[in-house]
Amino acid sequence: EDQVTQSPEALRLQEGESSSLNCSYTVSGLRGLFWYRQDPGKGPEFLFTLYSAGEEKEKERLKATLTKKESFLHITAPKPEDSATYLCAVQVRSGGSNYKLTFGKGTLLTVNP
Amino acid sequence: GAVVSQHPSWVICKSGTSVKIECRSLDFQATTMFWYRQFPKQSLMLMATSNEGSKATYEQGVEKDKFLINHASLTLSTLTVTSAHPEDSSFYICSASLNTDTQYFGPGTRLTVL
Repeated sequence: EDQVTQSPEALRLQEGESSSLNCSYTVSGLRGLFWYRQDPGKGPEFLFTLYSAGEEKEKERLKATLTKKESFLHITAPKPEDSATYLCAVQVRSGGSNYKLTFGKGTLLTVNP
Repeated sequence: GAVVSQHPSWVICKSGTSVKIECRSLDFQATTMFWYRQFPKQSLMLMATSNEGSKATYEQGVEKDKFLINHASLTLSTLTVTSAHPEDSSFYICSASLNTDTQYFGPGTRLTVL
């Protein structure tokens, strides 16, 4: 069974205090790993897709990396507006030509001013 | 680009009634649409996958006769919760995909069944 585990469940940082979120996965036939940001009461907002070990992607204060077993979302000098739940999802084949996402439970990030 | 809308954003209904939720891709044609359910402080759980013009594929444990999905066009999918009960109260989110890669999510619909 495909499994995605995110840690920590919650993280509280001071503004400017850099840190990393972890996403470890056990899947058969990984096609891609996705990071999303979700604000309370909203749908997830797409951040990154990573396809192969060693790949890195950056967007503003965020950088995502991928190994064969886990992915990290590094947050450099975070600001209060970075506060959100960050979701990791793995994409696997679900039959025919369809692919589906299996999500982790997310990391709730709070950045205090 | 890649904007997905949902309507309504919230709905309250009485037990036993049916509720329809619409999901639209506004600026692209979605070959595949997905429906998820999210309970408080839980992650997204995939309910079903639908391709335009085809029957939806439901995940194990999801009752297809209770959660009716119609994907009539490349920009519109609907989820109808039939004979809703309080345990169906949840946050329902759709997503749309242009190809087999990135899914873009709608803002979600909060369903409360009294």
